Amino acid sequence: GNSVTQMEGPVTLSEEAFLTINCTYTATGYPSLFWYVQYPGEGLQLLLKATKADDKGSNKGFEATYRKETTSFHLEKGSVQVSDSAVYFCALMTSSRQLTFGSGTQLTVLP
Amino acid sequence: GAGVSQTPSNKVTEKGKYVELRCDPISGHTALYWYRQSLGQGPEFLIYFQGTGAADDSGLPNDRFFAVRPEGSVSTLKIQRTERGDSAVYLCASSLESARNTGELFFGEGSRLTVL
Repeated sequence: GNSVTQMEGPVTLSEEAFLTINCTYTATGYPSLFWYVQYPGEGLQLLLKATKADDKGSNKGFEATYRKETTSFHLEKGSVQVSDSAVYFCALMTSSRQLTFGSGTQLTVLP
Repeated sequence: GAGVSQTPSNKVTEKGKYVELRCDPISGHTALYWYRQSLGQGPEFLIYFQGTGAADDSGLPNDRFFAVRPEGSVSTLKIQRTERGDSAVYLCASSLESARNTGELFFGEGSRLTVL
């Protein structure tokens, strides 16, 4: 079956530090890949996505590249801000239209 | 505009009781999803509606769980004979049909269910 494994948290960084959150997946077929983010007190929202191999998704300074050869979709940001503190979820979707999520990574950015 | 609205935001009940959780999707969104999120875990798929019909209910854990969407808008998730293991946050999401297979779902804040 489909599964997503992401870096365990919590992750604590200082403002302007570089962020990487690792994500690898197992899936049948050719999934689309996503990063969702949950800010405190809010619902999950889509951060970025990539639908085929070598695609790069980007939004709000975050990037992730769909790597089919390593089955990975690592999230990166060059300089984090306090406002980036949230829980980040890696996810995949196949033709079934079910999103399969990882367990989430809590990020705290200190001023 | 309004996002996905879920009520109640918190529900505490006793083992064996019946519970209903309501979801009001974004206006015009034809697809509606229910997910369940246990503490420290990512959301797990329960059921997906396209219009009024359940297109995929493969994630419902057992026959105590049932969901309806009679008019193709508001949905209700119903849990009979609740068990302590049902305690979780129940998330509802909606999307446009044109978002087919793009994975852009709009989530509500969830209903936290606690079964004592």
